Amino acid sequence: EAGVAQSPRYKIIEKRQSVAFWCNPISGHATLYWYQQILGQGPKLLIQFQNNGVVDDSQLPKDRFSAERLKGVDSTLKIQPAKLEDSAVYLCASSLARGNYGYTFGSGTRLTVV
Amino acid sequence: ELKVEQNPLFLSMQEGKNYTIYCNYSTTSDRLYWYRQDPGKSLESLFVLLSNGAVKQEGRLMASLDTKARLSTLHITAAVHDLSATYFCAVVFTGNQFYFGTGTSLTVIP
Repeated sequence: EAGVAQSPRYKIIEKRQSVAFWCNPISGHATLYWYQQILGQGPKLLIQFQNNGVVDDSQLPKDRFSAERLKGVDSTLKIQPAKLEDSAVYLCASSLARGNYGYTFGSGTRLTVV
Repeated sequence: ELKVEQNPLFLSMQEGKNYTIYCNYSTTSDRLYWYRQDPGKSLESLFVLLSNGAVKQEGRLMASLDTKARLSTLHITAAVHDLSATYFCAVVFTGNQFYFGTGTSLTVIP
């Protein structure tokens, strides 16, 4: 089974620029998550999708972050404009459905804002 | 407020010793995960605990869950250097909301 694919692996941008990350979950996984992991901290949930609907985006800084999962498959997370404090690893995870299922994480995108 | 706390945050232990990492969470959940993360790598699933009193063991690691106390423990037996990593617990709350603890950075010293 292919894992959760994320791209790019690394990105360096200047503050106030825009950036987008892409995630392709495991085939058939209905639930998709985006996490932000700042160095030395635990992953923080940004947004959770169930198919193409948003279940939880309470911790997403909506003034600059947006995410979509238009066809209920792959997803894009965008930051516009980026700030220095957005430097982090952005992890995507997916799970089959609600219930007692495992969660699989992608390798992440490491963003550095300079 | 949904909150997951771990302690200690940092743990340095000698090879061969035993130790326990604690994970407390703020509200009802019947599902808890433990993950391992090596520097620069993604998260590797270790255990999923699905009910009160659940205990899982793999090698030198054993995890347990007490849903009444809202507490999970990860016990390390006779630590070896290869166990050096950061360990996270993650709790699934109502609505399939998946929240991580603060992490415990473990260093095993030869």
